[in-house]
Amino acid sequence: DVKVTQSSRYLVKRTGEKVFLECVQDMDHENMFWYRQDPGLGLRLIYFSYDVKMKEKGDIPEGYSVSREKKERFSLILESASTNQTSMYLCASSFPGELFFGEGSRLTVL
Amino acid sequence: TQLLEQSPQFLSIQEGENLTVYCNSSSVFSSLQWYRQEPGEGPVLLVTVVTGGEVKKLKRLTFQFGDARKDSSLHITAAQPGDTGLYLCAGGGGTASKLTFGTGTRLQVTL
Repeated sequence: DVKVTQSSRYLVKRTGEKVFLECVQDMDHENMFWYRQDPGLGLRLIYFSYDVKMKEKGDIPEGYSVSREKKERFSLILESASTNQTSMYLCASSFPGELFFGEGSRLTVL
Repeated sequence: TQLLEQSPQFLSIQEGENLTVYCNSSSVFSSLQWYRQEPGEGPVLLVTVVTGGEVKKLKRLTFQFGDARKDSSLHITAAQPGDTGLYLCAGGGGTASKLTFGTGTRLQVTL
């Protein structure tokens, strides 16, 4: 089975802190994604990567950056967390035709 | 930015009832996927439809892609508590790159 693992299920951070969300997949997928999920808004794409060290902005990249140094790992970085970044963050990798998601990281910024 | 609107946003029904969830857009998509997300989990793919007018069945779930490939529907027959979850439609290309997700329909089925 494909497994996408997100390092933290729940995080509580303070405004201005730097936040790292880690994601690892075990199926050698080339494409990886970070989404943000908010009630009534569905999933919105923050960034995606189609190869090591390659990244592209999604629909809502402001306030976020990403890093992909190894094929299996895709990290989401909040340089200076703000309260409006309180949300559920979902990582995914893709095999043609299907996205495989992690369990999500619920971030609360106080 | 392409938008996908789902309706209804919330649905609470009793076991055995039928229901339909709609996914609408003003944009044309080359494919349309439906995912289900259970509490505490990530979304899981249910089906992909790629041809206008296509109908696919998955046990008690029937999925249809609109003729113009701008809309889709999910019909559940005789809903069961195990169908409870968040249903998400997603439109995009066949490689699942940069999918556009719908706003979601939260379904609760009670005994």
